[in-house]
Amino acid sequence: DAGVTQSPTHLIKTRGQQVTLRCSPKSGHDTVSWYQQALGQGPQFIFQYYEEEERQRGNFPDRFSGHQFPNYSSELNVNALLLGDSALYLCASSPGQQDYGYTFGSGTRLTVV
Amino acid sequence: GEDVEQSLFLSVREGDSSVINCTYTDSSSTYLYWYKQEPGAGLQLLTYIFSNMDMKQDQRLTVLLNKKDKHLSLRIADTQTGDSAIYFCAEYGNKLVFGAGTILRVKS
Repeated sequence: DAGVTQSPTHLIKTRGQQVTLRCSPKSGHDTVSWYQQALGQGPQFIFQYYEEEERQRGNFPDRFSGHQFPNYSSELNVNALLLGDSALYLCASSPGQQDYGYTFGSGTRLTVV
Repeated sequence: GEDVEQSLFLSVREGDSSVINCTYTDSSSTYLYWYKQEPGAGLQLLTYIFSNMDMKQDQRLTVLLNKKDKHLSLRIADTQTGDSAIYFCAEYGNKLVFGAGTILRVKS
């Protein structure tokens, strides 16, 4: 059983560009959450999707947006990239909006130059 | 507000016990978690504890929760070199809030 799958694994973008990161949740999971992990820090909550809607959002600007598809997979979009957006972006899935059972993917390493 | 704090670094000898400490602020947290992250990898859930429990043991791992002081600890018995990683404490109120992580270095 595949866990959470994220693509791509690594990405290099230029300041001002836009990027789309993808996540396929673990089988049986319908809720997807996105986290940003800057170097040397813990993951910071970006937002959570359930039933194709954004249910919660952390302290991130509107440049960060997302989407969830009917098959529960999700995308994270970041517009007008800044150097400070360089980080590991982690996707986590869970079976419903439960407060346990999060499974994390290996992440997408985004470097903005 | 939500805030989770951890010590940054711990070094132990192989075979010793490791104790990683964490403090949190959200008294409404229902679950508290310990995650492990190895270099270049995502987060691996090690264990979790319900907020109405004081202790949970899972093989070499023991979690202690002091709700009054909002203090959580993770004890790893018989620490091995493969335990070298970053350990994150996290609380869940309505979302997961992580600490900055504790780097565990195991010397052989």
